[in-house]
Amino acid sequence: EPEVTQTPSHQVTQMGQEVILRCVPISNHLYFYWYRQILGQKVEFLVSFYNNEISEKSEIFDDQFSVERPDGSNFTLKIRSTKLEDSAMYFCASSDRQGGQPQHFGDGTRLSIL
Amino acid sequence: ILNVEQSPQSLHVQEGDSTNFTCSFPSSNFYALHWYRWETAKSPEALFVMTLNGDEKKKGRISATLNTKEGYSYLYIKGSQPEDSATYLCASYGSGNNRKLIWGLGTSLAVNP
Repeated sequence: EPEVTQTPSHQVTQMGQEVILRCVPISNHLYFYWYRQILGQKVEFLVSFYNNEISEKSEIFDDQFSVERPDGSNFTLKIRSTKLEDSAMYFCASSDRQGGQPQHFGDGTRLSIL
Repeated sequence: ILNVEQSPQSLHVQEGDSTNFTCSFPSSNFYALHWYRWETAKSPEALFVMTLNGDEKKKGRISATLNTKEGYSYLYIKGSQPEDSATYLCASYGSGNNRKLIWGLGTSLAVNP
């Protein structure tokens, strides 16, 4: 069964540095998402992406964050000037339709900011 | 602001017991209710997506119901097995300006053999 893959599984970065988290969604899916989960807290929506542009974003997704689909397969989340509070699990997901279809998740990237 | 609540937060049952948990969500601007199963060290796995009031879906020993008028969904597990041990997350997908999944904190289920 096709799956969403994320790399790296764990990223350790110094505060203030930029990180890029990578995702390869399921190939025939059209909608892509990023979520994060800070330890012990709820899964939080960050952004959804469709037709090469952001379709929804949360208040968390400020100018520090950006997403890109640089080619036909990758979907990346860039975090500029990282802060300690950016430490979390970041999950990528994809779906073939919006809302009424299940989202398929990757295994996540654990981001640790030192 | 949308808020999705799940109860109980955690549950311990014996193998063979049947169990159920609750997800409550705002009934306004509702589009779909998602249930996911999340095992430790794995990614969330979709169980059900329901949209219509009165929807009932079943997958093996797991079933779910939906009441959109009062804003709640129940997840039932019949004859729990140790492999059912996981966190069960629900998420509400809204309409209009709320077209995103808002997640509950989950119910952590432990099934003792």
